[in-house]
Amino acid sequence: AQSVTQPDIHITVSEGASLELRCNYSYGATPYLFWYVQSPGQGLQLLLKYFSGDTLVQGIKGFEAEFKRSQSSFNLRKPSVHWSDAAEYFCAVGAWKRNYQLIWGAGTKLIIKP
Amino acid sequence: NAGVTQTPKFQVLKTGQSMTLQCAQDMNHNSMYWYRQDPGMGLRLIYYSASEGTTDKGEVPNGYNVSRLNKREFSLRLESAAPSQTSVYFCASQATGGLSNTGELFFGEGSRLTVL
Repeated sequence: AQSVTQPDIHITVSEGASLELRCNYSYGATPYLFWYVQSPGQGLQLLLKYFSGDTLVQGIKGFEAEFKRSQSSFNLRKPSVHWSDAAEYFCAVGAWKRNYQLIWGAGTKLIIKP
Repeated sequence: NAGVTQTPKFQVLKTGQSMTLQCAQDMNHNSMYWYRQDPGMGLRLIYYSASEGTTDKGEVPNGYNVSRLNKREFSLRLESAAPSQTSVYFCASQATGGLSNTGELFFGEGSRLTVL
């Protein structure tokens, strides 16, 4: 069955430090992969997506993610975090069930230390 | 650019009351979704509509009904609210079809519902 795992419920990072958020998926075919961000009290915004081509994808706000088929992973990275990056981050995989749907991870809450 | 608009943004209900959450999108998308978000549980799909005139159950449909009124609007109704339905509800829309479409979802800002 298709699934998405985000192993870290919370991550705390100092401002200016680098960040990596983990995402592992289970899907039989070539996946469409997404990272969304949710700021406190807001809806979800797309950060980046992968569906083919270059396995390193660039997104908004200085984020990037790398698709590794051998590891079934799509980890999100940022070289230097800012206090405004404090939010919850969701990984999702596009999958065909009865219709095309997104399968969601449980989310990782990013806390920024000053 | 309105995108996806949800109303109301906040609502407090008493157990047994009914209400309807409204959602409208102006992107001419075929598919629309209702999710609920609870702490530590991510997003759970309640109902979705792949196209105008069709609706299907998601993971957690019990206690809810939906109506796809037209291509723009997709409403979620709680007929008899229960405290377990206290949650944040998100509507989303999605373009489907076409070789370049990757199924990105566009979300509303959420409706925060408390059932006492």
